[in-house]
Amino acid sequence: DAGVIQSPRHEVTEMGQEVTLRCKPISGHNSLFWYRQTMMRGLELLIYFNNNVPIDDSGMPEDRFSAKMPNASFSTLKIQPSEPRDSAVYFCASSWRTGPGIYGYTFGSGTRLTVV
Amino acid sequence: QQQVKQSPQSLIVQKGGISIINCAYENTAFDYFPWYQQFPGKGPALLIAIRPDVSEKKEGRFTISFNKSAKQFSLHIMDSQPGDSATYFCAASISGSARQLTFGSGTQLTVLP
Repeated sequence: DAGVIQSPRHEVTEMGQEVTLRCKPISGHNSLFWYRQTMMRGLELLIYFNNNVPIDDSGMPEDRFSAKMPNASFSTLKIQPSEPRDSAVYFCASSWRTGPGIYGYTFGSGTRLTVV
Repeated sequence: QQQVKQSPQSLIVQKGGISIINCAYENTAFDYFPWYQQFPGKGPALLIAIRPDVSEKKEGRFTISFNKSAKQFSLHIMDSQPGDSATYFCAASISGSARQLTFGSGTQLTVLP
């Protein structure tokens, strides 16, 4: 089990450029989450999918952010155009039901995004 | 209210000491309370979790204490080791199809050798 795989690990881009972050969840996990982590705001949920369908995107900060999950093994988070305040570590996580009412979460190692 | 409040923001403990991190919540619908451990450059990893039908859960040196009436729960790390130095997050969620987690703000723990 390779865990949740995110790419790239680091991304440095210029303001105004499009940025695409990628995530491969663990096979068999039917829920996928995108989080953003900053010193100021901690871990914020941006959006989550259940069975490839977006369920709650209320955490997406602006229309510049979009996320897709075209199939059970792949998701993207896109920022267009990027701004310096988008600089953060973006985590993808997937979850599965381990027992009655109990879910396990596994996070990827994150993508550190720097917008200059 | 979905917020989970965590304290302290940082904690320094001597090796062998007890580390205690506290969290409080408002939403009584929360019914699952995990703790996550995060090392630099890594994603958070599940450490231990509790449901409100028990008041305490212990796994090795890690114990969660849960006070339902006070809407508080805490993580105790016994015999703290330098390898425990990390950021710890409490979280809470409500029963649902995906168990969306609400995280506390995190506690940076440093265990001195």
